[in-house]
Amino acid sequence: AQTVTQSQPEMSVQEAETVTLSCTYDTSENNYYLFWYKQPPSRQMILVIRQEAYKQQNATENRFSVNFQKAAKSFSLKISDSQLGDTAMYFCAFMTQQGAQKLVFGQGTRLTINP
Amino acid sequence: NAGVTQTPKFRILKIGQSMTLQCTQDMNHNYMYWYRQDPGMGLKLIYYSVGAGITDKGEVPNGYNVSRSTTEDFPLRLELAAPSQTSVYFCASSYDSYYNEQFFGPGTRLTVL
Repeated sequence: AQTVTQSQPEMSVQEAETVTLSCTYDTSENNYYLFWYKQPPSRQMILVIRQEAYKQQNATENRFSVNFQKAAKSFSLKISDSQLGDTAMYFCAFMTQQGAQKLVFGQGTRLTINP
Repeated sequence: NAGVTQTPKFRILKIGQSMTLQCTQDMNHNYMYWYRQDPGMGLKLIYYSVGAGITDKGEVPNGYNVSRSTTEDFPLRLELAAPSQTSVYFCASSYDSYYNEQFFGPGTRLTVL
């Protein structure tokens, strides 16, 4: 079974700084998908960014980018020019390419952006 | 589009009671999911469905049942509620192809006392 590990329970940075959230995963599969979801205090789950394992190029979405290291099974999220609205729980998630589209989530990292 | 809607938003149950959490999506998605989120933890899959009439167990199905009679609706039934089922429950849906985003509902906070 796949597992996802987020080793940073909490992080805190000043507004406008850059912050990197770590994620590692364990799988024996070669093709899969990785996601970062954001959960603000409203509790709504929001997709931040996604990456296909067969793509070597790291995904980017505006201020959000990933560092995907397939051999190391690492998938970190970098937030540049952080904003107060980035304050949230961030979850890393894995999806296998086999069978139904089931997401396996990490434990989450609580990120606080300070003014 | 309303997206994924869930009712109720909050509920308190006594041990042994039963209830149904409702989930509806208006995006014509074939895939639907139920997750639970315990305090300070990530989401865990309870049940999922790949289309009307087809359901399957996820990682933590014990104590729950589901049905999928229509594309739009995917209710989750709790029988004989236990304190261990205190959690926030999320319903989600997606298109039936990989890499597609799962759209989540706002969640139901359930407390079993």
